[in-house]
Amino acid sequence: DTGVSQDPRHKITKRGQNVTFRCDPISEHNRLYWYRQTLGQGPEFLTYFQNEAQLEKSRLLSDRFSAERPKGSFSTLEIQRTEQGDSAMYLCATLNITALNTEAFFGQGTRLTVV
Amino acid sequence: AQKITQTQPGMFVQEKEAVTLDCTYDTSDQSYGLFWYKQPSSGEMIFLIYQGSYDEQNATEGRYSLNFQKARKSANLVISASQLGDSAMYFCAMREPYSGAGSYQLTFGKGTKLSVIP
Repeated sequence: DTGVSQDPRHKITKRGQNVTFRCDPISEHNRLYWYRQTLGQGPEFLTYFQNEAQLEKSRLLSDRFSAERPKGSFSTLEIQRTEQGDSAMYLCATLNITALNTEAFFGQGTRLTVV
Repeated sequence: AQKITQTQPGMFVQEKEAVTLDCTYDTSDQSYGLFWYKQPSSGEMIFLIYQGSYDEQNATEGRYSLNFQKARKSANLVISASQLGDSAMYFCAMREPYSGAGSYQLTFGKGTKLSVIP
């Protein structure tokens, strides 16, 4: 499978616990994104990497959230001291862009439930 | 700032009929890209179709076509010959303008829930 892969698909955690999600991107795409999707809404941008550099963070990304992309390959998103408001679908996407075309593919998502 | 509006929270279509899902966008940029994604109940976002703002022809991908009307700032998705498996949420999204240095993050609408009736 050469698409974007996310792990785990589902995570249930108790409030206050830390969680970490992983994204394995399409290898040819050097741009990697994390989005969050709450119920009834479209995905919202959280953060963006170009290779290993984290170049942009949304205001939605509180200081409890941290993302890494070591060596410009897979990426991890960690949420510390989870809150019930963190319950959402977390989507990873990769993008390849030229002047004439854009390819943007998403992984299957990690559905987080904080109880 | 870019904005995507999908005014149809839900749509019904008879199997084998065509359906149009509406999307309007707001941007002051000349260069941008428009996407449609399908999200079944499993949650994954499945890429359907892409239209660049400078593309003169409407994009088509199998049963999907994008009715791009630049002056009206609309990018409606047309699904022909609907199938039961087309029942899902559909999201319209816009990419930031191409500049070589941008993040090119996508801005999404709130989606339209399509239900295909046998």
